[in-house]
Amino acid sequence: GESVGLHLPTLSVQEGDNSIINCAYSNSASDYFIWYKQESGKGPQFIIDIRSNMDKRQGQRVTVLLNKTVKHLSLQIAATQPGDSAVYFCADAFSGGYNKLIFGAGTRLAVHP
Amino acid sequence: DTEVTQTPKHLVMGMTNKKSLKCEQHMGHRAMYWYKQKAKKPPELMFVYSYEKLSINESVPSRFSPECPNSSLLNLHLHALQPEDSALYLCASSLAVGAYEQYFGPGTRLTVT
Repeated sequence: GESVGLHLPTLSVQEGDNSIINCAYSNSASDYFIWYKQESGKGPQFIIDIRSNMDKRQGQRVTVLLNKTVKHLSLQIAATQPGDSAVYFCADAFSGGYNKLIFGAGTRLAVHP
Repeated sequence: DTEVTQTPKHLVMGMTNKKSLKCEQHMGHRAMYWYKQKAKKPPELMFVYSYEKLSINESVPSRFSPECPNSSLLNLHLHALQPEDSALYLCASSLAVGAYEQYFGPGTRLTVT
């Protein structure tokens, strides 16, 4: 069946380091992905999205890479800050049809001073 | 205004109670969603409304009854819930159904006693 999974449930990094959060998907027809950040007690916050006609997309301190060959995407956060501590979800906006998002299990990012 | 608001923030209800959750957005979005999120799990889609009409019901029990009175408002009516329904209920909206980013509200933390 469809799945969107993450390789690591928890990622600990030092403040100032770069962080990489990985996500695998199974539907080769999937063509739109979104990364969300969810802080404790809050709803998911849109970070960045990418469509399958792109390999890379950059935002402010964040970069998403999409490798369609191996069905893998990653979120890179540059110069990680304590405020980046949260759970990060990748979401596949195609697998369920364009009406819904299929979320991965989530990766908790812990930033240490 | 790029915000989705939800009320109440917290709700405690007994299994015989009737209560409602409210969601509002003023971004002109025509698609609105209800998600349920259990602790340490990703959000799971419950309902999708498109242009004020129910588009998707993910086989949600009838004790949850959604309503979309207008394009800015989305309600979730609750009746005869079970303790296992305790969760964070998230509302989201997007420009339309399709490959568009969804913006989430902060959620209502529901406890069923």
